Amino acid sequence: GAGVSQSPRYKVAKRGQDVALRCDPISGHVSLFWYQQALGQGPEFLTYFQNEAQLDKSGLPSDRFFAERPEGSVSTLKIQRTQQEDSAVYLCASSRTQDSTDTQYFGPGTRLTVL
Amino acid sequence: AQKVTQAQTEISVVEKEDVTLDCVYETRDTTYYLFWYKQPPSGELVFLIRRNSFDEQNEISGRYSWNFQKSTSSFNFTITASQVVDSAVYFCALREGLPGNQFYFGTGTSLTVIP
Repeated sequence: GAGVSQSPRYKVAKRGQDVALRCDPISGHVSLFWYQQALGQGPEFLTYFQNEAQLDKSGLPSDRFFAERPEGSVSTLKIQRTQQEDSAVYLCASSRTQDSTDTQYFGPGTRLTVL
Repeated sequence: AQKVTQAQTEISVVEKEDVTLDCVYETRDTTYYLFWYKQPPSGELVFLIRRNSFDEQNEISGRYSWNFQKSTSSFNFTITASQVVDSAVYFCALREGLPGNQFYFGTGTSLTVIP
């Protein structure tokens, strides 16, 4: 299918390691979002891209978190010096336009476990 | 303050029973959008419905129906004649009309349908 894909699906990291999580949005979708979902909680917004421009990064919890979308399609969320509290599912979503009314379509997520 | 409240953490019903999932939201915007998503054990959030604040008509889609009441800031979701495949976590979400881009998710309701 042509949905949002994410890789890897599971990632185990030792505390202090850097990780990179990839998101492939639906082809042609302008908007891309990253969310963090802790166990038993709803997703929480991290950052938003419109094409290659990162327009909102207000949800990034610390400067250890960095996201990019250099060509306006694939996006990477990088977490430096991982901590145990970073353990969560990281969800990526895309929507067709920059219109805030557009429905977001979600990928399956990457489950990050920091030991 | 939580913008979206799903007071029911877990619900169990016997197959073929009807079940209503509650959602209460809070916003000062006059234009906003409400969503329901289903998250099966696979983890991917599946879009169910979007409703804008100007459209209070209730909607029915097969066994699913939604009751939007602005007067009580509620957007409840009913599954009629529940089936085992309906077992999942259901999230209600709010997107405000301001130039922000966040979805505000509730904490989810875990529905178990017992055969």
